[in-house]
Amino acid sequence: SAVISQKPSRDICQRGTSLTIQCQVDSQVTMMFWYRQQPGQSLTLIATANQGSEATYESGFVIDKFPISRPNLTFSTLTVSNMSPEDSSIYLCSAQVDGYTFGSGTRLTVV
Amino acid sequence: QKEVEQNSGPLSVPEGAIASLNCTYSDRGSQSFFWYRQYSGKSPELIMSIYSNGDKEDGRFTAQLNKASQYVSLLIRDSQPSDSATYLCAVNRWDSGGSNYKLTFGKGTLLTVNP
Repeated sequence: SAVISQKPSRDICQRGTSLTIQCQVDSQVTMMFWYRQQPGQSLTLIATANQGSEATYESGFVIDKFPISRPNLTFSTLTVSNMSPEDSSIYLCSAQVDGYTFGSGTRLTVV
Repeated sequence: QKEVEQNSGPLSVPEGAIASLNCTYSDRGSQSFFWYRQYSGKSPELIMSIYSNGDKEDGRFTAQLNKASQYVSLLIRDSQPSDSATYLCAVNRWDSGGSNYKLTFGKGTLLTVNP
């Protein structure tokens, strides 16, 4: 089965700063996805990232706040910009392989 | 109506019993359906996928799909304490606006299996 490596696993950041989360898949995939999971809640899709095109953002999420890169078929990054305490959450990447496989997640705390 | 609805639970069953988890979805165009297990502090792990009406069995797990009723269920036989987790129902559908498939999750059902 596919393996998705995500880093960092956790971070504590100052408000107003930015954090870039990296996601590496061990096989080539067309579509990658970024989710947010707030404490005690389910997963909310932030955006879909296809290689070679702009990411598609869901309602309530904008590129200026969550810029995404997808330079090749195995890698993607999500940046959480100008962070506030409301951005404290778990961020998960996913790829459409073996159903949908998830990375191990990044637990972000903004202070 | 929410896109994917699950009973939030918690659902508590004794060890060895059958746990029954239910999910309904609103989009009749939904193509495929997944059950994920999520332990506290961990990422979701796929345990079952189902694409056509009927039952699909894998070990102690059985997924059931009824597209006419827009209903998906997961049965866990011989429940073990290690099955205690949140179970997430996810539905895959085509999003014409984004021109791609999207996976939408329910809120999850917390299952506790008591020894």
